[in-house]
Amino acid sequence: GQNIDQPTEMTATEGAIVQINCTYQTSGFNGLFWYQQHAGEAPTFLSYNVLDGLEEKGRFSSFLSRSKGYSYLLLKELQMKDSASYLCAVINSNYQLIWGAGTKLIIKP
Amino acid sequence: NAGVTQTPKFRILKIGQSMTLQCTQDMNHNYMYWYRQDPGMGLKLIYYSVGAGITDKGEVPNGYNVSRSTTEDFPLRLELAAPSQTSVYFCASSYGRDGGDTQYFGPGTRLTVL
Repeated sequence: GQNIDQPTEMTATEGAIVQINCTYQTSGFNGLFWYQQHAGEAPTFLSYNVLDGLEEKGRFSSFLSRSKGYSYLLLKELQMKDSASYLCAVINSNYQLIWGAGTKLIIKP
Repeated sequence: NAGVTQTPKFRILKIGQSMTLQCTQDMNHNYMYWYRQDPGMGLKLIYYSVGAGITDKGEVPNGYNVSRSTTEDFPLRLELAAPSQTSVYFCASSYGRDGGDTQYFGPGTRLTVL
């Protein structure tokens, strides 16, 4: 089967750094997305990785290791508005997007 | 551009009723998708379309039907609604299907079947 694992919930402090991990077992790999989803809203695109390494975009960075089936999303200088769910999704060999259940991130002052 | 729009935002159905969820995009995207998201779960693909006149089943198609007569519209039909179809339904679109093509989501339809 195809599986994507993320922690269900994480808590962090405003101004701190948090790393959200994602491990995947899929039939092939053609890229990995991170989406942000605020409660009651639609997912919005954060990042895309297809090659190993770190992609940095402002306060957010995403890392990929294809050999380990592993990615993480790094959020720096956390703000209250970063409280949301973070969804990891992998494109498999059939170009289907397989979604993880998401990690709910709670930011405390 | 409005992006992806969905109607209605909320709906309550009785068991056995039918309804159509509307989805329209104005970005001239080829690919369109219907997902459902149950509480605490990831998105599950119901149906997708690679262009007008072409649709295909996703992971959880049973109990649903779709059509794609134009590039812009991709309605989702629920026949004989069941409580198991209580969920949030998201429509999405993307320009292409190859890796790296971001999907843009509509605001969602919250459906309750009683």
